[in-house]
Amino acid sequence: GAVVSQHPSWVICKSGTSVKIECRSLDFQATTMFWYRQFPKQSLMLMATSNEGSKATYEQGVEKDKFLINHASLTLSTLTVTSAHPEDSSFYICSASPWDKDQPQHFGDGTRLSIL
Amino acid sequence: GEDVEQSLFLSVREGDSSVINCTYTDSSSTYLYWYKQEPGAGLQLLTYIFSNMDMKQDQRLTVLLNKKDKHLSLRIADTQTGDSAIYFCAEMTTDSWGKLQFGAGTQVVVTP
Repeated sequence: GAVVSQHPSWVICKSGTSVKIECRSLDFQATTMFWYRQFPKQSLMLMATSNEGSKATYEQGVEKDKFLINHASLTLSTLTVTSAHPEDSSFYICSASPWDKDQPQHFGDGTRLSIL
Repeated sequence: GEDVEQSLFLSVREGDSSVINCTYTDSSSTYLYWYKQEPGAGLQLLTYIFSNMDMKQDQRLTVLLNKKDKHLSLRIADTQTGDSAIYFCAEMTTDSWGKLQFGAGTQVVVTP
């Protein structure tokens, strides 16, 4: 089946640090990638939609300058949490969608971000 | 409130069948999905159904879709301890092509 790789799986860093998370589709071209945030025991909250070669579309309430998204190729999207603070600690998950929207999205394994 | 609703918890004995239910409100749903999430992991696609289908079976999994009642269910036959996880129902609609609307997730606990 389709594979989406997300890296790193876990990161702990000091407050004020910027953290980059990568999302790669390994065996298909992902024209669209999605970034989600998940709080403990809650569902996924869509943060932004990333289309290859264009600016990301952010959901209401998500700070564009805090969560920088780049989708430079059909297999890679990155999420950078800039100047991270403890309240940014969360589980971040990406998903990748092929050009054919009749095909389902596939999710990465998530990144556990802990800001001290 | 949420557009996709699920019961939050299900306890089932090993070997029994599990049925997880989901309701949605948007009549323009095109696809409906079931994902599984184990602790600390991402989402694993289990199965999905196109909105013009009533049923889909894949090994131990059976998806039933009642479009009139906007009700989706996932039946897991011969439930095993490895099936313990959180199960998310999600829909994709024609007016949000590609975006998924998730339910809150159903925690399934399989007891020996």
